[in-house]
Amino acid sequence: QVQLVQSGAEVKEPGASVKVSCKASGYTFTSYDINWVRQATGQGLEWLGWMNPYSGNTGYAQKIQGRLTMTRNTSISTAYMELSSLRSEDTAVYYCVRVDGSGTPYYWGQGTLVTVSS
Amino acid sequence: QSVLTQPPSASGTPGQRVTISCSGSSSNIGSSYVYWYQQLPGTAPKVLIYRNNQRPSGVPDRFSGSKSDTSASLAISGLRSEDEADYYCAAWDDSLSGHVFGTGTKVTVL
Repeated sequence: QVQLVQSGAEVKEPGASVKVSCKASGYTFTSYDINWVRQATGQGLEWLGWMNPYSGNTGYAQKIQGRLTMTRNTSISTAYMELSSLRSEDTAVYYCVRVDGSGTPYYWGQGTLVTVSS
Repeated sequence: QSVLTQPPSASGTPGQRVTISCSGSSSNIGSSYVYWYQQLPGTAPKVLIYRNNQRPSGVPDRFSGSKSDTSASLAISGLRSEDEADYYCAAWDDSLSGHVFGTGTKVTVL
């Protein structure tokens, strides 16, 4: 079955960077896009961007473009999301999500809490 | 910022029918599939409805989705206590070239 397992919680200072990993299993990693979504405590869902693991092509939400980088390592079926110049408002749970055949974000990772605090 | 608008809350007694609306525009709901997610406290969202009205295997047929023009709705019939959760609609937005989510609706079973 499709599984996405993310790296553990992170605590970072303002201005630092964080890199979250998402290891995929149960399907061919390069066949489906990976999206990243975040959710601040008590808030709604915010889409951050997508990556095609086969080509490496990416697309980012305008709000976060310039600070967000999505990469992958196909040899270990792992996607990465790196967010730089962290601010307190970046504190949230970050999810990786694999799409289905129609492009719907379908299979979710368990989430990674990123806390930005001095 | 949420582009799709949902009511903040909805409630009903066990066995009742609850409907949640999702209002968008021609660049998202009007031109794309709508999907719905259920999020139980402390867990990742789970797909309830995809391609406007399709249910993944394992999702009870008490849940149904529909779409008309630039709006969509999720109906929960035969409400049960385990349906207490947050519900989000979502769609691809052609103008933003990205997925957009609804503001979320908290369903309470009285």
